[in-house]
Amino acid sequence: GDSVTQMEGPVTLSEEAFLTINCTYTATGYPSLFWYVQYPGEGLQLLLKATKADDKGSNKGFEATYRKETTSFHLEKGSVQVSDSAVYFCALRINFNKFYFGSGTKLNVKP
Amino acid sequence: EAGVAQSPRYKIIEKRQSVAFWCNPISGHATLYWYQQILGQGPKLLIQFQNNGVVDDSQLPKDRFSAERLKGVDSTLKIQPAKLEDSAVYLCASRGTGGYNEQFFGPGTRLTVL
Repeated sequence: GDSVTQMEGPVTLSEEAFLTINCTYTATGYPSLFWYVQYPGEGLQLLLKATKADDKGSNKGFEATYRKETTSFHLEKGSVQVSDSAVYFCALRINFNKFYFGSGTKLNVKP
Repeated sequence: EAGVAQSPRYKIIEKRQSVAFWCNPISGHATLYWYQQILGQGPKLLIQFQNNGVVDDSQLPKDRFSAERLKGVDSTLKIQPAKLEDSAVYLCASRGTGGYNEQFFGPGTRLTVL
């Protein structure tokens, strides 16, 4: 069935370190891929998305590339800030309709 | 533009009691979702509406959960009777028409069942 697997956390980094959060998916249809972020005490927000293979989504210094050959959508940022501390969710959408979310990865950035 | 509204924000009940959650989506959004997010997990879709019709309720525990979306706008999700394992955050999200439109989430209702 359709599903998303992302790396377990928490991930703890120092400020200005490089971030990678791995995400792989299984999909029967033609998925779109998303990263959502949940800051402490807030609701889920869309961070970035990619709708077809080889697309790169980017926002706020974060990037992720839709890799069909490896069924992956890894999230990266070159230099994290304390304000990036949050829980990050990878998600896929099948045929413009149903969403599946990963279990979330908590990121802690230390000054 | 106003976001997705949910109420109440917090609810504590005892097992076997009933509870209802309310969601008001973004104006004009035809698609409405209810998710259950258990602590430490990602959101799990419970039910999806397109206007006032149900598109997907395959993961809704229909023996105790029910949801409706009258007039294709507001929606309520009810649990009757509640179990301890229903303790979670219940998220409502809405999405506009068009294939690539994103979904917008409300702040959620945190339910604690004692």
